[in-house]
Amino acid sequence: QKEVEQNSGPLSVPEGAIASLNCTYSDRGSQSFFWYRQYSGKSPELIMSIYSNGDKEDGRFTAQLNKASQYVSLLIRDSQPSDSATYLCAVNSGSARQLTFGSGTQLTVLP
Amino acid sequence: GAVVSQHPSWVICKSGTSVKIECRSLDFQATTMFWYRQFPKQSLMLMATSNEGSKATYEQGVEKDKFLINHASLTLSTLTVTSAHPEDSSFYICSAEVGADTQYFGPGTRLTVL
Repeated sequence: QKEVEQNSGPLSVPEGAIASLNCTYSDRGSQSFFWYRQYSGKSPELIMSIYSNGDKEDGRFTAQLNKASQYVSLLIRDSQPSDSATYLCAVNSGSARQLTFGSGTQLTVLP
Repeated sequence: GAVVSQHPSWVICKSGTSVKIECRSLDFQATTMFWYRQFPKQSLMLMATSNEGSKATYEQGVEKDKFLINHASLTLSTLTVTSAHPEDSSFYICSAEVGADTQYFGPGTRLTVL
């Protein structure tokens, strides 16, 4: 069974700090990795996708992928209260074209 | 990014009635759409994969006769919850696939069955 694990949190960081969100996955055949942000009562919003080992930066967000360790992370620099949300890690193994979601990490950025 | 709409955004119905939820890709064509359900404080659960012009593929444990999916065009998929009961109350979210693997989500439909 394909699994995606996230620390459920809650994770609290002060405004301006770096928030680090982590995710591990069980399927070594996974090829595509995504981070979604979900505000309370809303649907998920795509933040980042990453396919290759290493870092990928987009504004204040950096996704990191290590396929050997089956680990993907999301760093949020200069965290803002508006970043407070649940962050979902999603993995696509490629064979079924379906996303397997982690349970999400709740992030709170304190003003 | 790609825009996906859902209608209605919320619905309240009586037990035993059927409810139809529409999912549309507004600025692109989507061969594949997905339907998810999310209960409070839980992650998304995939219900089914909807492919244009063919029957949907349902996940284990999802009753295909209860959750009817139709994907008649490249921009529209519908989910009909038949004979809804209070335990079907949930947040239903669709997504559309862009490219080989990226999914963009609709805003969701909150269903409350009395």
